[in-house]
Amino acid sequence: NAGVMQNPRHLVRRRGQEARLRCSPMKGHSHVYWYRQLPEEGLKFMVYLQKENIIDESGMPKERFSAEFPKEGPSILRIQQVVRGDSAAYFCASSSSGSGGYEQYFGPGTRLTVT
Amino acid sequence: AQSVTQLGSHVSVSEGALVLLRCNYSSSVPPYLFWYVQYPNQGLQLLLKYTSAATLVKGINGFEAEFKKSETSFHLTKPSAHMSDAAEYFCAVSDRVAGTASKLTFGTGTRLQVTL
Repeated sequence: NAGVMQNPRHLVRRRGQEARLRCSPMKGHSHVYWYRQLPEEGLKFMVYLQKENIIDESGMPKERFSAEFPKEGPSILRIQQVVRGDSAAYFCASSSSGSGGYEQYFGPGTRLTVT
Repeated sequence: AQSVTQLGSHVSVSEGALVLLRCNYSSSVPPYLFWYVQYPNQGLQLLLKYTSAATLVKGINGFEAEFKKSETSFHLTKPSAHMSDAAEYFCAVSDRVAGTASKLTFGTGTRLQVTL
């Protein structure tokens, strides 16, 4: 039973380029969350999606960041025109329910480095 | 808004000693509470969670935590530390209000070092 899969594991982008991070949830899970972990900090919530719907994007920066979870395929976190401050580890988690108290299973993360 | 405070960004214990990692939460309604562990360059793994049953929660790898409403705390303990416990530990909360998104709010983490 495969867990949450994220790719790539490491991504290097130059300032101004686009970064695309992919997340495949656990089998049977339709709730996906993205979190960002800056160096020496805890994880910060970014966005919560269900299939074809953004449920909560209160943690997403207003510009350059977008997320989707299409009917088919993985969830994608897209960062346009990356800047050095976007360098971080981005974690995806999935859950079988959107209700509080349900465990979120985390992927191994994508470590983005902006040069 | 919910928040989580983890006292002590670094904790060092000897192998075999008691592990105590502190977590306090701030919420108008007692939330759901979680402890996660993160090993270097890996994702987070759930150690245990408190939903609404027993206030003393037992988790994996010998860890347990006690929910104390009067102290708004959910401290993580383990009677005897093992070298393999060296990792970063995160306390997190999620909302209990029905119908709301279950996003997690994390503390800043505590790095546990275990020495011989």
